[in-house]
Amino acid sequence: DSGVTQTPKHLITATGQRVTLRCSPRSGDLSVYWYQQSLDQGLQFLIQYYNGEERAKGNILERFSAQQFPDLHSELNLSSLELGDSALYFCASSITGTPGTDTQYFGPGTRLTVL
Amino acid sequence: GENVEQHPSTLSVQEGDSAVIKCTYSDSASNYFPWYKQELGKRPQLIIDIRSNVGEKKDQRIAVTLNKTAKHFSLHITETQPEDSAVYFCAASKMSFGNEKLTFGTGTRLTIIP
Repeated sequence: DSGVTQTPKHLITATGQRVTLRCSPRSGDLSVYWYQQSLDQGLQFLIQYYNGEERAKGNILERFSAQQFPDLHSELNLSSLELGDSALYFCASSITGTPGTDTQYFGPGTRLTVL
Repeated sequence: GENVEQHPSTLSVQEGDSAVIKCTYSDSASNYFPWYKQELGKRPQLIIDIRSNVGEKKDQRIAVTLNKTAKHFSLHITETQPEDSAVYFCAASKMSFGNEKLTFGTGTRLTIIP
């Protein structure tokens, strides 16, 4: 157990819908990262927050948005869902948010299925 | 941006033999290279990492080597055991404030044959 929690574990929804994935970082970690893992794309970095502020952005679609709240938990919002959005979504957290300074610990993931 | 290529995509090794997974990166400014292990249905877990100021790092049966000139790094697992079966991902990043994202390779599915 890494100490990072994600809810829900599984999510099944229909195309065109909107969902929210939630992540709670390890106690003391200020940075949260979101990744998408699909069969043909591997692990893709979406976005990073540090202490409530966006720090780095990857290939995140405009239909996707995220935020980090004052209590440091984060939410990833996915809207106008398409079949291709079906994937495993991981959240990770670290203390400083600078790769190489500390380790990113991954949560158990949320499996999203869009029908 | 950074591009990381990983080979092979699948690897089968007899138990007790060694396994080697190789990655190349494109951005010469990258200076941090972690390796993650992901067992089926589970989260990726960091198993070893290396920074560009060293050429090799070892932790028991696992070692990583880095060749900055050639821009490639490798994971070596010796005396493989069945529990080493998993997907392994390499990644690369700069250790700097700002655009500090990890770019992952596409993964290697390692199978240890008993």
